[in-house]
Parts: sequence; structure tokens; C-alpha cells
Amino acid sequence: EAQVTQNPRYLITVTGKKLTVTCSQNMNHEYMSWYRQDPGLGLRQIYYSMNVEVTDKGDVPEGYKVSRKEKRNFPLILESPSPNQTSLYFCASSYGTYRGYTFGSGTRLTVV
Amino acid sequence: AQSVTQLDSQVPVFEEAPVELRCNYSSSVSVYLFWYVQYPNQGLQLLLKYLSGSTLVKGINGFEAEFNKSQTSFHLRKPSVHISDTAEYFCAVSKETSGSRLTFGEGTQLTVNP
Repeated sequence: EAQVTQNPRYLITVTGKKLTVTCSQNMNHEYMSWYRQDPGLGLRQIYYSMNVEVTDKGDVPEGYKVSRKEKRNFPLILESPSPNQTSLYFCASSYGTYRGYTFGSGTRLTVV
Repeated sequence: AQSVTQLDSQVPVFEEAPVELRCNYSSSVSVYLFWYVQYPNQGLQLLLKYLSGSTLVKGINGFEAEFNKSQTSFHLRKPSVHISDTAEYFCAVSKETSGSRLTFGEGTQLTVNP
């Protein structure tokens, strides 16, 4: 089944404790993105990647890091999480934006 | 820079009534336009898209949208809604020259009541 898999689905952590949210796709897509969803703000792009080793900042990159060492994986790293990063995170992949993105099921992160 | 505004944050309707969810965009270049739907506790899925050609595009589940360049709008419509259409709907825009950047609106919560 074609899908984008994110882990974990739910995560509660403390301020300053480094964490990684994994994302993997099995469709051989070139493009991958991370979004955060907050009430009243819709989805905002954090980082995106056009292919292996090619990444760029989205609209809200502060406090996040990404890497794309393999085509199928695009992990999101929070080196020192803060409470304002409490949010619902989505990973998505595509052959190109015009083709439409396939989204993962989301990761709900709470930073206390 | 491109941006998207969804004019209604919540739209309550009765079952079998028609519905229109409004979306306006701004961009200095040609754009691709999309509607995505998010059912409770799920990720987003593509409902329909406008790339070029006919300004009326049809999507899944009986939805359609009309691209209006002069009014910079891309409103989503359905002639008769079902309870199962209850979800949050997002309008999104991407510049033609950009393969990765997708800008979303704030979302519209559609609630269909019996």
C-alpha cells in the first residue's frame, strides 16, 4: 500500500530534551515536506526537500532541523524543544506539488 | 509571495443542502490551486486541483471548484452534502515555478447536521 508513515503518533516530552520524528514513504517520491498544524493557522511548512541531500526552509523553520540522506526518509529533529513547538505535525511526499501531496497520519507533540 | 485566505472558519449546514466553501488567493505569478480534506484524526487527502485549462474542476466525493482568475478565487462547492462530509477543508496554492512550496489557508470546518 502506498503510504507515508510517521512515528510516533503521540509524544509528550520535556523542554530541552532532543527528539526526532521519523517519516518514511514507499512511493519513490522526490519531494518531501514537514508541516505543523495549529488551530486557526492552518498548516505551515517547516522544511521541504526536493531530493536526497537537497533541503530548504519553509515558512517556520526556527527550532527545527531536517536531513535527507535516503530518498524514502525525511526525519524532523527538534534539538531543544520548547512549549511553543507543541503542535500537530504532518509529513508529506509527492512527485511534485502539482501532482498533489500524500500525507502521513500526523504526530501530536506536547512539550511541557 | 503567495497567500491564501479562507473566508469562513466554520460552515454548518443541514444534510442534503448545497454548500460553498470560499477561498481567495494572492500571487504575482500563475499558480496551481488545490483543495484538501481532513477527516477527524487523519492526515489530509487531495480533493481536487486546478492546474490549467477548464476553470471548473471536479474532484472526489461529488465536490467541484471553480477557478476565477479575475476575482482570484477558487471556491469549493457541493450540490447536496452528507453527514460523512463533515471534516475540515483546506485551500492551498503553489507557484508554477516551485515544485515543493505549498501554502495552505487557515481551514474551514464543515459540519453537516441531520
